[in-house]
Amino acid sequence: GENVEQHPSTLSVQEGDSAVIKCTYSDSASNYFPWYKQELGKGPQLIIDIRSNVGEKKDQRIAVTLNKTAKHFSLHITETQPEDSAVYFCAASTGTASKLTFGTGTRLQVTL
Amino acid sequence: DADVTQTPRNRITKTGKRIMLECSQTKGHDRMYWYRQDPGLGLRLIYYSFDVKDINKGEISDGYSVSRQAQAKFSLSLESAIPNQTALYFCATSDPNPPSESSYNEQFFGPGTRLTVL
Repeated sequence: GENVEQHPSTLSVQEGDSAVIKCTYSDSASNYFPWYKQELGKGPQLIIDIRSNVGEKKDQRIAVTLNKTAKHFSLHITETQPEDSAVYFCAASTGTASKLTFGTGTRLQVTL
Repeated sequence: DADVTQTPRNRITKTGKRIMLECSQTKGHDRMYWYRQDPGLGLRLIYYSFDVKDINKGEISDGYSVSRQAQAKFSLSLESAIPNQTALYFCATSDPNPPSESSYNEQFFGPGTRLTVL
């Protein structure tokens, strides 16, 4: 089955700096790659996703890039703010299955 | 009101006890999931259901069972709880026919149940 590795496990950045979280996947059939944000005491919430027919997607300060050849994808957050502090999970899925395999999570802390 | 609710939010129990965690949703989604979250291990799928008559094992189903009582309700049971089932449990839903392509495959999570088995 699919295996998703995520790095780093913790990341501390200063407010205004950029943060990058990287994930690799094993199943070349995977074609959907979402990123979820989990705030303290809450369930994960989708923040951005990308499909395998696209190399990059942006939504304001958040962007995701995908390299199908290398089987890795990354989350980029620019101009970080304290409210970006949370745990971030990457995931992978194959098409219509809608079963997600999650990475192990990255705890992002944005310091003032 | 929350679209996906879980009860209880916190539960402490003893080894060997039977425990049921409940999930209800008002989103009208056919697909429902149960995950457990452990520090350093991320979210792992326990069971999933694509409709009322369809139940499937996930990657870590041993020691768990589920019941899909209706489209809106999906319960997770621990028949005989053990300490290594101490974890945060999440229910999630998804819509196989979303109103827009952008939300296809999106899963909507409940607030979680923190279970401690002593």
